[in-house]
Amino acid sequence: DVKVTQSSRYLVKRTGEKVFLECVQDMDHENMFWYRQDPGLGLRLIYFSYDVKMKEKGDIPEGYSVSREKKERFSLILESASTNQTSMYLCASSLRQGATYEQYFGPGTRLTVT
Amino acid sequence: AQKVTQAQTEISVVEKEDVTLDCVYETRDTTYYLFWYKQPPSGELVFLIRRNSFDEQNEISGRYSWNFQKSTSSFNFTITASQVVDSAVYFCALSEEGAQKLVFGQGTRLTINP
Repeated sequence: DVKVTQSSRYLVKRTGEKVFLECVQDMDHENMFWYRQDPGLGLRLIYFSYDVKMKEKGDIPEGYSVSREKKERFSLILESASTNQTSMYLCASSLRQGATYEQYFGPGTRLTVT
Repeated sequence: AQKVTQAQTEISVVEKEDVTLDCVYETRDTTYYLFWYKQPPSGELVFLIRRNSFDEQNEISGRYSWNFQKSTSSFNFTITASQVVDSAVYFCALSEEGAQKLVFGQGTRLTINP
């Protein structure tokens, strides 16, 4: 079974804090993704990575950065958290190109910025 | 540009009723993939199905069935004899060949009442 884990289920941070969200997958997947989920907007892609140290911007990268130093771990960083970044954050992983494979998701981190 | 529309924001039915969740997509590619995911209250998205654009056969898996029609750019999902455990948010998603990224619809919240 593919397992994608996220470091926290719930997180409360203050405006201006630096926030790290961690994601680990155990299936040797090349691709990893960070989404945010907001009511009425579905899931929107923030960043994704197709290899160690490689990253590409998604649809809403502003205010976020990412780090992938090891294949199994993909971190999302909020350099200076703002209230409009209060959201549910979902990490996912998938096999790499050749075909488009389904993504496997973690349980999500509900982040509140006050 | 890719787009997925799930026009039904919320659906509520009584247990044992059949229910259909609509999904309409837009893409310029001839090769693409369509997905359905289920998000139960626990928050983790669960993969249900992947179809490629060359396979228009309807698929049935137990009480679940999917109707893919290229002529109307739709990929609808039907639950037969619904059960309370089917209550969840359901997402339809699209990916173009080699794109690796998924574009999600807004989601449909399905509530099955006992």
